[in-house]
Amino acid sequence: GAVVSQHPSRVICKSGTSVKIECRSLDFQATTMFWYRQFPKKSLMLMATSNEGSKATYEQGVEKDKFLINHASLTLSTLTVTSAHPEDSSFYICSARVTGYGYTFGSGTRLTVV
Amino acid sequence: KNEVEQSPQNLTAQEGEFITINCSYSVGISALHWLQQHPGGGIVSLFMLSSGKKKHGRLIATINIQEKHSSLHITASHPRDSAVYICAVRPLGGGGADGLTFGKGTHLIIQP
Repeated sequence: GAVVSQHPSRVICKSGTSVKIECRSLDFQATTMFWYRQFPKKSLMLMATSNEGSKATYEQGVEKDKFLINHASLTLSTLTVTSAHPEDSSFYICSARVTGYGYTFGSGTRLTVV
Repeated sequence: KNEVEQSPQNLTAQEGEFITINCSYSVGISALHWLQQHPGGGIVSLFMLSSGKKKHGRLIATINIQEKHSSLHITASHPRDSAVYICAVRPLGGGGADGLTFGKGTHLIIQP
C-alpha cells in the first residue's frame, strides 16, 4: 500500500520549453506532497511542499515562478519547470507522508534540458 | 541548522559480509528513516525509527536518541543489496514543514 506513481521517468526537453511532472497517490489520499531535487552525488534537497487546495510553500532560494506546483486534488500533485534551462537538469522526486506508515516516494524523473 | 552525516560515503564488500552504515544528526528529531535508492533513482523506504531497533529480513536498524546516532546493518550481504542507502530525519518542530532532511547517502557495492 501507499504507492506514489511519478511520470515521466525520463524527459529531454529544449531550453525555453516547459515540462510537467506528475505524482499520483494510487491507494491513499495525499493531502501533502513534498518535491525534492537531487544533483549527482548530492543529498536530496526539499524544493517545496504542496498542500491540496492551497498554495505551495517553497524553500528559500527556490523560484516559485519557475517551479510551478499544483495540488488540485487529494491524489494528484504536479511540478512544472517553466522556461527550462540546462542548469535545471536534475533528478526530481516527490514524496508523501502517510499517517502511520512514514514516507512513500515516487520513482523520480530525470530531466535533461538541451 | 540540521545536518545529517553518513559514513562511510562508499563501501565495497564481498558477498556474505556483515555491513554497517552509520548516521549522525545534530538536532532533535521525531523520526529517522533509512531509505534505499537504486541506480535508476527510485527510492524505497526501509525503516522508520523513533527509538530502539527494528529488523526486516537481513536488515537491522538501530537508533540511539541520546547520542543522535543510528546504524543500518545488513547481514549475509548479497550483490542485489548494492544500492545507495540514505539516512533522513524529520526534525522536531520544523517550523511547520514536514519534509525530511537527508544525508548524502552511502554507495554500497557487494561483489560476488
